[in-house]
Amino acid sequence: EADIYQTPRYLVIGTGKKITLECSQTMGHDKMYWYQQDPGMELHLIHYSYGVNSTEKGDLSSESTVSRIRTEHFPLTLESARPSHTSQYLCASSEYGGLTEAFFGQGTRLTVV
Amino acid sequence: EDQVTQSPEALRLQEGESSSLNCSYTVSGLRGLFWYRQDPGKGPEFLFTLYSAGEEKEKERLKATLTKKESFLHITAPKPEDSATYLCAVQVRTRGGADGLTFGKGTHLIIQP
Repeated sequence: EADIYQTPRYLVIGTGKKITLECSQTMGHDKMYWYQQDPGMELHLIHYSYGVNSTEKGDLSSESTVSRIRTEHFPLTLESARPSHTSQYLCASSEYGGLTEAFFGQGTRLTVV
Repeated sequence: EDQVTQSPEALRLQEGESSSLNCSYTVSGLRGLFWYRQDPGKGPEFLFTLYSAGEEKEKERLKATLTKKESFLHITAPKPEDSATYLCAVQVRTRGGADGLTFGKGTHLIIQP
């Protein structure tokens, strides 16, 4: 069973609020990712990191930002939430080097009202 | 542009009725193809990785195969607990050199007792 945790699981927040979605893994993985998934749609990569102090944007443009100060922690922040940010956000991690599977957290379902 | 197409979108089977799910892909340089299972409200759970055409992998009632253009997930004598959305994903190089996954929309499988 994968040891990657996301909090909160569900979040309902008002427009304009700043939010941080937490993601932590205890597997010592260097690679971490954030995906966004709308109902019935594909997962899209929005951010990734290859290690501490390494962050890059993915294929899908996102107004969110990420940081990687510690190997095990990869939080995602929205400075000013809008209804268009309503979605499910999934965090994942994988080992560095070669072709290895990604392990996913349970996800955070965000609703901005 | 890299594309992953899964069919059918939804499939309803009777318990014990075998079938196959399809994943066709158009990518520039496939590094690997992954199958995941996703239950409602949860993150994807890893099932298989396939690296090259002709490769096959099995796990309980599931068997994954790969050709140069598509992959099949065969499910033999399914049980109700096999009900889930099955996701196909390919690993390619995204802009900036990321090796995040490109996902299909998934096949929603329902196994009726």
